[in-house]
Amino acid sequence: EAGVTQSPTHLIKTRGQQATLRCSPISGHTSVYWYQQALGLGLQFLLWYDEGEERNRGNFPPRFSGRQFPNYSSELNVNALELEDSALYLCASSFSPEARGYTFGSGTRLTVV
Amino acid sequence: AQKVTQAQTEISVVEKEDVTLDCVYETRDTTYYLFWYKQPPSGELVFLIRRNSFDEQNEISGRYSWNFQKSTSSFNFTITASQVVDSAVYFCALSEAGYGGATNKLIFGTGTLLAVQP
Repeated sequence: EAGVTQSPTHLIKTRGQQATLRCSPISGHTSVYWYQQALGLGLQFLLWYDEGEERNRGNFPPRFSGRQFPNYSSELNVNALELEDSALYLCASSFSPEARGYTFGSGTRLTVV
Repeated sequence: AQKVTQAQTEISVVEKEDVTLDCVYETRDTTYYLFWYKQPPSGELVFLIRRNSFDEQNEISGRYSWNFQKSTSSFNFTITASQVVDSAVYFCALSEAGYGGATNKLIFGTGTLLAVQP
């Protein structure tokens, strides 16, 4: 069974640009979660999608947004990139909102220069 | 408010030593889940264990064991006979139960960097 896959592995953007990160959940998983792991800030919850709907978001500005597609894959978009957006972005999936079996991908390392 | 505290920032041990990673949590919920994840240098979070708040039985899996004590809000993780391959950052996390209004997010501790020297 394929795990959670994220692309790209690494992404380098210039300040002010937009970044798009992608996540494919494990087959059969309907919930997708995004987390940011920035240096010195630990792992912070960003967004949760289930059945195509945004269910909850963390304490991040609106320029962090995303969506979930009918096949349950997800995109995270970060607009107007700032230097402090440089981080490892991790995606996780679970079988259902009630399930507490979160499986994480390897992440996308975003560097803003 | 929910919170997870991992007071040990870094631990260094010599191979074959036993090591315990501490985790203390805060929550107002009576139903919740606790997790441990391992993050090797590659970055992926590797799931180790999940416990729900109603199951206080300690668990052993090979060289790994977990001690869950609700009375002290702790969920400690012990590695017996540590190996170099155990070197990683270990995260403790909390997830509150419920849906339809619940956050359903994982609240992570700050992690403990374990370095096992040969």
